[in-house]
Amino acid sequence: DAKTTQPPSMDCAEGRAANLPCNHSTISGNEYVYWYRQIHSQGPQYIIHGLKNNETNEMASLIITEDRKSSTLILPHATLRDTAVYYCIVRVPSKGGSEKLVFGKGTKLTVNP
Amino acid sequence: NAGVTQTPKFQVLKTGQSMTLQCAQDMNHEYMSWYRQDPGMGLRLIHYSVGAGITDQGEVPNGYNVSRSTTEDFPLRLLSAAPSQTSVYFCASSYAAEAFFGQGTRLTVV
Repeated sequence: DAKTTQPPSMDCAEGRAANLPCNHSTISGNEYVYWYRQIHSQGPQYIIHGLKNNETNEMASLIITEDRKSSTLILPHATLRDTAVYYCIVRVPSKGGSEKLVFGKGTKLTVNP
Repeated sequence: NAGVTQTPKFQVLKTGQSMTLQCAQDMNHEYMSWYRQDPGMGLRLIHYSVGAGITDQGEVPNGYNVSRSTTEDFPLRLLSAAPSQTSVYFCASSYAAEAFFGQGTRLTVV
């Protein structure tokens, strides 16, 4: 699985967009980008994933650059409950599940009132 | 749906004791995994399973055993607890891209 680089911490004002970057310059053609978050030592929570097109769901948007060497997770209107550690993971999807996720240290996002 | 249920939530063991961390899921997922998380670190994979009767080692398997006799259950056994196994343990089950995690078991070995 490709290695990822994320800033250790970021701050965001409540109600503003939070843009979390991830570098994955060694990503290969069949590797997807996944984002998870972990709120205050709870179990991680899946957010979104994508291959090369931009993706959006009810939680966030994922923007992947054309060369796929970096991506940005966007929380459009951050709330205090979005304060968490955000993990960017790059991997080849398994046939039936996500059984081998490799977590780095992630980005600690603090949303301030 | 309860999702992924881990028991116990907290446990204190003495060095050399053995115990089993329980994990159960009610989503009929084939894929299940165990991770540990040490302070300030990301999660590290201990063991995983891609179906009943099939298990494999992850990044840090030493000192742990697993078995998968049913789709629902994936227990993690500590054979002889050591202080280095003090950690928070997370179980996960997954289908396709999304993994669902339990709330964790906080284990202290003294």
